[in-house]
Amino acid sequence: EALLVESGGGLARPGGSLTLSCAASGFSGSAMHWVRQAPGKGLEWVGRIRSKTNNYATAYATSVKGRFTISRDDSKNMAYLQMNSLKNEDTAVYYCALDLADCYSICAFDIWGQGTMVPVSS
Amino acid sequence: QSALTQPPSASGSPGQSVTISCTGTSRDIGRYNYVSWYQQYPGKAPKLIVYEVSKRPSGVPDRFSGSKSGNTASLTVSGLQAEDEADYFCISYSLNDPEGVFGGGTRLTVL
Repeated sequence: EALLVESGGGLARPGGSLTLSCAASGFSGSAMHWVRQAPGKGLEWVGRIRSKTNNYATAYATSVKGRFTISRDDSKNMAYLQMNSLKNEDTAVYYCALDLADCYSICAFDIWGQGTMVPVSS
Repeated sequence: QSALTQPPSASGSPGQSVTISCTGTSRDIGRYNYVSWYQQYPGKAPKLIVYEVSKRPSGVPDRFSGSKSGNTASLTVSGLQAEDEADYFCISYSLNDPEGVFGGGTRLTVL
């Protein structure tokens, strides 16, 4: 069974950049999503990258499009979320989550990482 | 504003049953059998407890059951236990929409 471990969180400045990593064993045929949760709030989808079979297709939420980039390296069992031009409202716990069915939309988030906190503040 | 509507709170006494609803549209819940439910404890990551409307992953107690009627999906927790006190939220596949649709979450309190 796949296991997801995130890293890279920490304090970031408005306008700054940060890259989150997700170590994922057994995920090469799955879609990797990033989901965030602001303090005391519900879940917000950030974006996803599909498998090689689906040409590593990416999609992003409107709120992060043009600022965030998702990538993956199947040879290293890693996925990444590069965040640029950070805003205060990007403050959240960021989770990576696997959709084992590699769906275009969301079939299910079968496995979640433990989450990593990204506070954005000056 | 969440695209799927869930009640913000629900409650029940130990041993009782509680049902949490999740209402969408004909573009999501009404069209696809890809409704999933998640349990989240404070400060913890969500955990999948129901997928494809009514299927349970290995290890999830059969006290948790899912169903769907029209544009509304439901999660029923039977034989409530203190450990069931958590947040529950639903997600659905959505037509032409990679981000799916999310419910706002329901806080379940065991009285």
